Amino acid sequence: EAQVTQNPRYLITVTGKKLTVTCSQNMNHEYMSWYRQDPGLGLRQIYYSMNVEVTDKGDVPEGYKVSRKEKRNFPLILESPSPNQTSLYFCASSRDLRDSPLHFGNGTRLTVT
Amino acid sequence: GENVEQHPSTLSVQEGDSAVIKCTYSDSASNYFPWYKQELGKRPQLIIDIRSNVGEKKDQRIAVTLNKTAKHFSLHITETQPEDSAVYFCAVNNFGNEKLTFGTGTRLTIIP
Repeated sequence: EAQVTQNPRYLITVTGKKLTVTCSQNMNHEYMSWYRQDPGLGLRQIYYSMNVEVTDKGDVPEGYKVSRKEKRNFPLILESPSPNQTSLYFCASSRDLRDSPLHFGNGTRLTVT
Repeated sequence: GENVEQHPSTLSVQEGDSAVIKCTYSDSASNYFPWYKQELGKRPQLIIDIRSNVGEKKDQRIAVTLNKTAKHFSLHITETQPEDSAVYFCAVNNFGNEKLTFGTGTRLTIIP
């Protein structure tokens, strides 16, 4: 089954404790992206990647890191999480984004205390 | 960068009536306009999309219209049903920046 898999689904952590949210897709998509969803603000892009070893900042990249060492994986790293990073996070992938839809993962709800 | 505005933020419609959600964008070079539906607790999923060389597209009860001159596009849902209740997001592709910019979402509630 074609899908984008995110883990974990729920995560509660404390300020400053490094964490990684994993994302993997099995559709051989070149484009991958991370979004955060907050009430009233919609989906805001954190980082995106056009292909292996190619990443770029989205609209809200501060406090986040990503890597794209393999085509299928695109982990999101929070080196020192803060409470304002409490949010619902979605990973998504697309064949080429120009006229192909985004396929979203099931989301990761992160709480930073 | 691209600026996408979506209205209204909430919409309540009697079952069987029509619902219309509108988005405006700023970059005239944008060329791909998808709509996503997000049911409660679920991920966003594409329901319909339109490209800049087409003015209207229809899929059963759902249609999207695009006015490139005015830089706005709209989602139309006819004969609404309870399962249409969800949050709907418009999005705009800015080809030059290789990114998809989302609107802030519309919470649609269908009243039985």
